[in-house]
Amino acid sequence: GQSLEQPSEVTAVEGAIVQINCTYQTSGFYGLSWYQQHDGGAPTFLSYNALDGLEETGRFSSFLSRSDSYGYLLLQELQMKDSASYFCAVGGDQAGTALIFGKGTTLSVSS
Amino acid sequence: DVKVTQSSRYLVKRTGEKVFLECVQDMDHENMFWYRQDPGLGLRLIYFSYDVKMKEKGDIPEGYSVSREKKERFSLILESASTNQTSMYLCASSFLGSGEQYFGPGTRLTVT
Repeated sequence: GQSLEQPSEVTAVEGAIVQINCTYQTSGFYGLSWYQQHDGGAPTFLSYNALDGLEETGRFSSFLSRSDSYGYLLLQELQMKDSASYFCAVGGDQAGTALIFGKGTTLSVSS
Repeated sequence: DVKVTQSSRYLVKRTGEKVFLECVQDMDHENMFWYRQDPGLGLRLIYFSYDVKMKEKGDIPEGYSVSREKKERFSLILESASTNQTSMYLCASSFLGSGEQYFGPGTRLTVT
């Protein structure tokens, strides 16, 4: 089976840095993705790590350690608009596989 | 821009009715997916398809079926709707082998 663990809630203030961790157990691993979902909206893609290391995209970075079955999403210079749910997901490499999502982390950014 | 559209934003059906949810994507993606999202449970995969007429069960296929007759269209069918199928239903699509999925706006289905 497959399972992903991430914290259910994180709170932070504007301008701060927050890290959302994700640990996974999968029968076959191809990559770790991150998605953002605002209240009432659809999930939108943030990043995908297939290899170990850090990927940076503007204020957001994502890290993967395949040996530790662990990854994280790092959000810097937090803004109020970053308040949303963040989901990690594993899978996505070959035909016959699909992304499996974690239960999501709700990030609340206050001023 | 990739566009994934779903047939309805809101739908109210009665118990026992047959319900069709349609999803269309315009980016020639091989993969298409149906998820349901419930508070505290995240996104749970119902079915997915990686090619026309191909389908694979996800984590919670019971009570649902799917149809993919054309590459751009993936339908979710509730054969006999029940109240525990009240939920937000999200369709998504992606290229084969990609971790980047594009989601539709969702259909909030209420079964009374």
